[in-house]
Amino acid sequence: KAGVTQTPRYLIKTRGQQVTLSCSPISGHRSVSWYQQTPGQGLQFLFEYFSETQRNKGNFPGRFSGRQFSNSRSEMNVSTLELGDSALYLCASSFTSAQETQYFGPGTRLLVL
Amino acid sequence: GESVGLHLPTLSVQEGDNSIINCAYSNSASDYFIWYKQESGKGPQFIIDIRSNMDKRQGQRVTVLLNKTVKHLSLQIAATQPGDSAVYFCAENMDNQGGKLIFGQGTELSVKP
Repeated sequence: KAGVTQTPRYLIKTRGQQVTLSCSPISGHRSVSWYQQTPGQGLQFLFEYFSETQRNKGNFPGRFSGRQFSNSRSEMNVSTLELGDSALYLCASSFTSAQETQYFGPGTRLLVL
Repeated sequence: GESVGLHLPTLSVQEGDNSIINCAYSNSASDYFIWYKQESGKGPQFIIDIRSNMDKRQGQRVTVLLNKTVKHLSLQIAATQPGDSAVYFCAENMDNQGGKLIFGQGTELSVKP
């Protein structure tokens, strides 16, 4: 079974631009969560989607948004990029939106100049 | 400005020795705990999990211990190998929070051959 895939793997943007990241969960998984990882703040929860509905949201500004499609693939969008948005963005999937193993993708490394 | 990175605790062990990585979790209501391993340039990899109705769980070469009284989690790795060198994160979850994981700051394990 293929693991969680994320595209693109690397991205360079400038301040003020917007970016869309994509995540394809493991086949059969319906829950997708997004995390931001930075040296300063560590791994922080962004949001979780299950059956195309946002189930949980972390403490990030409204510039960070996401969605999930009927095939469980998910995208996250960051608008009006700031230097501090430079990070590794990780996606994780699990079967349901419950307490079970979440499997992570390799991440998208975003650099904002 | 430039963000200050987290100062990760570091554990250095000799190949073949046992390793113990500790984690203090934040929320007494958390009832599901997971250990992840993250190698450079990769996403977190699931190692083992434990629910709050248990105090010990064993996997292949790994054991997780949970002490709810003091909100402490530990990961024991037997016969540590160079391939175990990575950053190890504990994560906690509450039943009413769906897939939201709260991560610890991580511990860097360095295995000397």
